Amino acid sequence: GAGVSQSPSNKVTEKGKDVELRCDPISGHTALYWYRQRLGQGLEFLIYFQGNSAPDKSGLPSDRFSAERTGESVSTLTIQRTQQEDSAVYLCASSLRGLAGGVYEQYFGPGTRLTVT
Amino acid sequence: AQSVAQPEDQVNVAEGNPLTVKCTYSVSGNPYLFWYVQYPNRGLQFLLKYITGDNLVKGSYGFEAEFNKSQTSFHLKKPSALVSDSALYFCAVPSRMDSSYKLIFGSGTRLLVRP
Repeated sequence: GAGVSQSPSNKVTEKGKDVELRCDPISGHTALYWYRQRLGQGLEFLIYFQGNSAPDKSGLPSDRFSAERTGESVSTLTIQRTQQEDSAVYLCASSLRGLAGGVYEQYFGPGTRLTVT
Repeated sequence: AQSVAQPEDQVNVAEGNPLTVKCTYSVSGNPYLFWYVQYPNRGLQFLLKYITGDNLVKGSYGFEAEFNKSQTSFHLKKPSALVSDSALYFCAVPSRMDSSYKLIFGSGTRLLVRP
């Protein structure tokens, strides 16, 4: 079946502009996660959705970052007034559900490479 | 706090030789542990997980991992490396918050398999 998809695959933007990154999870996966991977570094957790609610936003680095999810489907990560330090690969993942229902592996999309000039 | 550590930035092996990528963990309670692989310009792929039961866990692409409670380790292994195994490998542990969880990743180990 189809995996997690993300768009765009690459985004170059000027400092100060807003960007929207999109994630389509695997159908039937109720949990959705956003992570950030800076060059040469590991992954940082940003936000978690269960359905369309976000019980864990602890990883969002500033109020310039926000995310929404429509039902148990598409999610959008928005970065306002982008800064050069926002340059990274933004990865989306989905799983059947969070830890309470069992320990399910997360399936990752290919990522969006964001470059802020 | 839950954490994992990958002590090696890079591991070099010759094709056909066994490989080991190291991971140690620090968790409270029973650990759940994961290995993921990231091929160039691609997202992370799940390899295997340890929840409970047998200490030797078998996963995708011929990989396996050994859970060792006394050494708090979860090393990734493969008996015979392939050039195509060259990639970035991450171990991870879930950090639970209420009914949700996020994955805490190690810093990654780059595996280079030479022909």
